[in-house]
Amino acid sequence: SQQGEEDPQALSIQEGENATMNCSYKTSINNLQWYRQNSGRGLVHLILIRSNEREKHSGRLRVTLDTSKKSSSLLITASRAADTASYFCATTQGGKLIFGQGTELSVKP
Amino acid sequence: GAGVSQSPSNKVTEKGKDVELRCDPISGHTALYWYRQSLGQGLEFLIYFQGNSAPDKSGLPSDRFSAERTGGSVSTLTIQRTQQEDSAVYLCASSSHGQGVREAFFGQGTRLTVV
Repeated sequence: SQQGEEDPQALSIQEGENATMNCSYKTSINNLQWYRQNSGRGLVHLILIRSNEREKHSGRLRVTLDTSKKSSSLLITASRAADTASYFCATTQGGKLIFGQGTELSVKP
Repeated sequence: GAGVSQSPSNKVTEKGKDVELRCDPISGHTALYWYRQSLGQGLEFLIYFQGNSAPDKSGLPSDRFSAERTGGSVSTLTIQRTQQEDSAVYLCASSSHGQGVREAFFGQGTRLTVV
């Protein structure tokens, strides 16, 4: 089974609102990454948070990590229509990069 | 090259035929990953290479699937006797660090349709 599981599976918001996506995982991790996918093709790396970090920011993105709960969240602030995409969390395990099922975000203008 | 290159971008094949998908990683990247993604689904891990060796082949769905990597660079994923359930987008990614600490860079994928 996949290491990471995202929640919700789908999210629809209005432009300007914030979007929060959650990821839960099962085993110990060294780091957790978030990726974005447009139109079902290649993924683009957004941000990496290490297991000894609790929060990280990159532009309008904020990622938190709670290793005691084995969970992470991705917050996109002041969303734009261009943020419409699928978002995946990924963890590494023995060299493998394992992805969750993703959250499909729709931002309506 | 500047990024991960996959070819072909689209492939339509008849059931029972063999197909070969190619991945050209970013120069110098030691780690290479293959994934399969069905419509609206997540990424299913297939195989991972560190250099030319494949420490983990656990994700290959059946013995019809095989992959190799030569010269620590180009990789090919071969599917023999294709079935309709093999239809999916096959994604390749490369990373500069074998333990996955660094970000992975993805190609645009090969969309395989088995008719």
